[in-house]
Formats: sequence, C-alpha cells, structure tokens
Amino acid sequence: GEDVEQSLFLSVREGDSSVINCTYTDSSSTYLYWYKQEPGAGLQLLTYIFSNMDMKQDQRLTVLLNKKDKHLSLRIADTQTGDSAIYFCAESTLYNQGGKLIFGQGTELSVKP
Amino acid sequence: KAGVTQTPRYLIKTRGQQVTLSCSPISGHRSVSWYQQTPGQGLQFLFEYFSETQRNKGNFPGRFSGRQFSNSRSEMNVSTLELGDSALYLCASSQGLAGAGDTQYFGPGTRLTVL
Repeated sequence: GEDVEQSLFLSVREGDSSVINCTYTDSSSTYLYWYKQEPGAGLQLLTYIFSNMDMKQDQRLTVLLNKKDKHLSLRIADTQTGDSAIYFCAESTLYNQGGKLIFGQGTELSVKP
Repeated sequence: KAGVTQTPRYLIKTRGQQVTLSCSPISGHRSVSWYQQTPGQGLQFLFEYFSETQRNKGNFPGRFSGRQFSNSRSEMNVSTLELGDSALYLCASSQGLAGAGDTQYFGPGTRLTVL
C-alpha cells in the first residue's frame, strides 16, 4: 500500500540544525519532495530528490535518501525562527494514466529564540 | 512568472449547497491536480487533469467533480455539500503529468467552510 510516515513535532533552538525524518513504502517512487506550509498558506516547494541519488544539498537544506530502508530526511542548517512551519514529505507515484503525490502527515517545526 | 492562483480564497456555504472553485496554473503548465487538506485526513489527492482530460481520480464520492479548459485553467465542483467537506482545497500545476517526474507547484488554496 501507499503510506508516508513522519513524526508530528520537532522543537529546536535558533541556530541549531533541524532534522526531519520521513519513511515511505512505494519503492517505485521516482521523486521525493519536501514542501513547507506556513499558517494560512499553500505548500511551498523546498527541494526534491530523484530516487537514484543519495544526497542533495541546496544552500541550508540537505536531503538524504536511503532507498534500501525507504528513509528520507531533511536537514536545515542554522535554523531560524522564520523556518517555523509544517514540513511535508511527499512521494511521487504513477497512478492510472498520470500520477499523484502521497503526503506524510507533516512535521510541525518550532524554532525557539 | 506568476504562480498558481486560486479563487476565491475563502468560502462559506451551507449544507446541501454546491460550490465551484477555480485554479489558474503557471503559464505553460498543462497539468492541474487538486488536493483536499483536513486536520483529520491530511492531504489527499482528488483528481488530475491534463489537456482537458481527467487522468486520475482519488477516492472521493461522485459529488466531487472537475474540468479543465483549453487554456489549462481548471475548476472543481462539489455538489450537495456536507459538513465534512470543510477543508483547504489546494490546486497544483506541473508542466507534464504528475508522477512522470514533473514537479508540482501549489497555489495558496481555497478555504471552504460548510455550516
């Protein structure tokens, strides 16, 4: 079946690193995504990784993919109060004649000054 | 380039009514997908349109329908509204089909409240 799991909450101090973890079940997923949602807003694409990659770095963001364990993580370096939001992991999967994203429940990141 | 736009941003309806939500994709994008977000169920896929054809439909009742126009703009309709339809409805666009490696970009959503 299709399932994406994330822990629900993470609290860090400003300046520390944050690591948000995600596990997924569909081994045929080609792309895995991280989206950010601030209160009252839609989803903002942060980064994505192709399934044949192990790591991708984009400024303060580092994505690690362990395909064998179906584990994805997002590391935010030097976390700021503006990073407080809900972070969603999503896997892209083929479905019928197209595709869809399957989302985790979201991890609420709280950054304390 | 302008992002994905959704109108209206907020709607209040009563049970039994119907509602139409609109989505304009990023210029050049041909695929539009719709998702429902609720506190209890999270983000769930509703349907995907590409070149005016519905390509996929999620596990929602037939009261939920949609269409796509030749300019790629899309509308979704919910008939006979129920209290449980209260949610944030998100539209996402991509150049090609979702799942084929094309990244989906989301709009700000329409917040629907059913009283």
